[in-house]
Amino acid sequence: EPEVTQTPSHQVTQMGQEVILRCVPISNHLYFYWYRQILGQKVEFLVSFYNNEISEKSEIFDDQFSVERPDGSNFTLKIRSTKLEDSAMYFCASRERVTDTQYFGPGTRLTVL
Amino acid sequence: AQSVAQPEDQVNVAEGNPLTVKCTYSVSGNPYLFWYVQYPNRGLQFLLKYITGDNLVKGSYGFEAEFNKSQTSFHLKKPSALVSDSALYFCAVGRMRQGGKLIFGQGTELSVKP
Repeated sequence: EPEVTQTPSHQVTQMGQEVILRCVPISNHLYFYWYRQILGQKVEFLVSFYNNEISEKSEIFDDQFSVERPDGSNFTLKIRSTKLEDSAMYFCASRERVTDTQYFGPGTRLTVL
Repeated sequence: AQSVAQPEDQVNVAEGNPLTVKCTYSVSGNPYLFWYVQYPNRGLQFLLKYITGDNLVKGSYGFEAEFNKSQTSFHLKKPSALVSDSALYFCAVGRMRQGGKLIFGQGTELSVKP
């Protein structure tokens, strides 16, 4: 069964450093998402992406964040200058055009020191 | 603005007993409602969804959920709980025409004891 994959599973970085989180969505899916979950809190929407552009973004998704689909398979989230409060689990999700179900990857745990 | 509430942080059930995990929502227009389950150190797994049609929807692992428009609720149910059902359950609401972002509830920890 196809699934969303994410790498790395755990990323540790120093405050101020840039990180890139990678996702490979399910191959025939057209809509892509990033969410995050701070430890002990609910899952929060960051950004949606369709047709090579951002469809919608949340207040969290400020100028420090960017997304890209550099080729036909990868979908990346870049944080330019990480802050302590960026420490969270980041989930990628994708969905087809015709169904409404988002399928989530296993997540990348980002720890900012 | 859309919102989802899961009024119980934790639900404790004995194995074999029925379980209910509650969810209420607030959204303008017709909601798309989802339940996801998260096992420790794992991602979110889709359980079931309501888009339109029958108010009772059936999903994976014997779970079902009842959509109640008048009470704006979408409670998750299972007739007979298993210890392996112990996990964190999230209710979510979405509106696909607006790009499809999901708004999640805060989650309910389900604990099923033998």
